[in-house]
Amino acid sequence: DGGITQSPKYLFRKEGQNVTLSCEQNLNHDAMYWYRQDPGQGLRLIYYSQIVNDFQKGDIAEGYSVSREKKESFPLTVTSAQKNPTAFYLCASSLTTLTGVEQYFGPGTRLTVT
Amino acid sequence: QQQVKQSPQSLIVQKGGISIINCAYENTAFDYFPWYQQFPGKGPALLIAIRPDVSEKKEGRFTISFNKSAKQFSLHIMDSQPGDSATYFCAASNSNSGYALNFGKGTSLLVTP
Repeated sequence: DGGITQSPKYLFRKEGQNVTLSCEQNLNHDAMYWYRQDPGQGLRLIYYSQIVNDFQKGDIAEGYSVSREKKESFPLTVTSAQKNPTAFYLCASSLTTLTGVEQYFGPGTRLTVT
Repeated sequence: QQQVKQSPQSLIVQKGGISIINCAYENTAFDYFPWYQQFPGKGPALLIAIRPDVSEKKEGRFTISFNKSAKQFSLHIMDSQPGDSATYFCAASNSNSGYALNFGKGTSLLVTP
């Protein structure tokens, strides 16, 4: 069963703690992405990686870190430096087609920090 | 700064009607324009996409119209159904940033029976 897996679906943390969100794909896609979604804000890019051991900052990378040690995995760490970490986090991977580079999203992780 | 502007913020359409959502962009380097559908609590699902060398693309009840000179594109949902009630996002991307997507803020569509 191919797809993008994000775990857990819901995550609760205390303020000041770092937390790592998991993203795994078995689609053999080269590129992976992390977005953050807030109500009424659409999705905003945190980080992306086009190849193993390489990644680039997106528009709102401050307070986040990533790693890409394996093609299948792109974990996101929300650090204590992120001022407003409570949000819905979405991971995606992409496939190049004749139309363009199609991105497919995982089911998301809802993080609540209190 | 929002690179893709989407309107309206919300839309109510009767069953069988046409839903129209509009988007505008500034960056002429964008070369891929997808639309996503999202249900509450779920990840967005790719609906339909277009490249700027095409003015229209149709897939079933969904059509994208693209106006390169005006830097605008729109989604038309024909024969709208209650099951189409969801949030729709337009987006744009290009190779300069690894095809990462720049999203509009979304349109909440409600199709009434």
